[in-house]
Amino acid sequence: QVQLVQSGAEVKKPGASVKVSCKASGYTFTSYLVHWVRQAPGQGLEWMGMINPRENTIRYAPRFQGRVTMTRDTPTTTVYMELSSLRSDDTAVYFCARGGSGISNPWGQGTPVTVSS
Amino acid sequence: DVVMTQSPLSLPVTLGQPASISCRSSQSLVYSDGNTYLIWLQQRPGQSPRRLIYKVSNRDSGVPDRFSGSGSGTDFTLTISRVEAEDVGVYYCMQATHWPYTFGQGTKLEIK
Repeated sequence: QVQLVQSGAEVKKPGASVKVSCKASGYTFTSYLVHWVRQAPGQGLEWMGMINPRENTIRYAPRFQGRVTMTRDTPTTTVYMELSSLRSDDTAVYFCARGGSGISNPWGQGTPVTVSS
Repeated sequence: DVVMTQSPLSLPVTLGQPASISCRSSQSLVYSDGNTYLIWLQQRPGQSPRRLIYKVSNRDSGVPDRFSGSGSGTDFTLTISRVEAEDVGVYYCMQATHWPYTFGQGTKLEIK
């Protein structure tokens, strides 16, 4: 079945970086964009950006530009999202989701990232 | 950025009764290809979001037909014809017409 499986929870100190992985399976990896969305505790959803695995084109939300890097590894059908210069307000659950008419299904299970000194 | 405004933010509903959520965008969501990339998502407690509706009114595979989407331009509505217990959760509208993509604040549906 089509699924996205993300890496496990992370705890980081302020100023550090975190790299979250999202492994796709059950479909042709290069045929769909992959989006990243985050959700702070008790809050709503925030779109961070997207990557086109076929063309390796990337688009970031302006508020994350300069701090976020999205990459892909085609042989392992895995997409990565790295966020640097972490602050306490980056504490959130980070989701990957397949594209298609915007954001589609499935979504990954989410990766909690806690930023704390 | 396009601002997406949902109402109400809290929606208590009796089982079997209908429910509607409104979503308004600060700009038209009609894209240059003629499509309107307005999406509705459901997030059940403790789960990842899932898309229910795309391009205003198209239901995703496996979504019950009691869910329907309507609207155009800047005004959109998600309607549940008869609410069931499994519909409890938070519903988000999202626009994928303009960069960056943006979400509404979310509407929390609960059973009275």
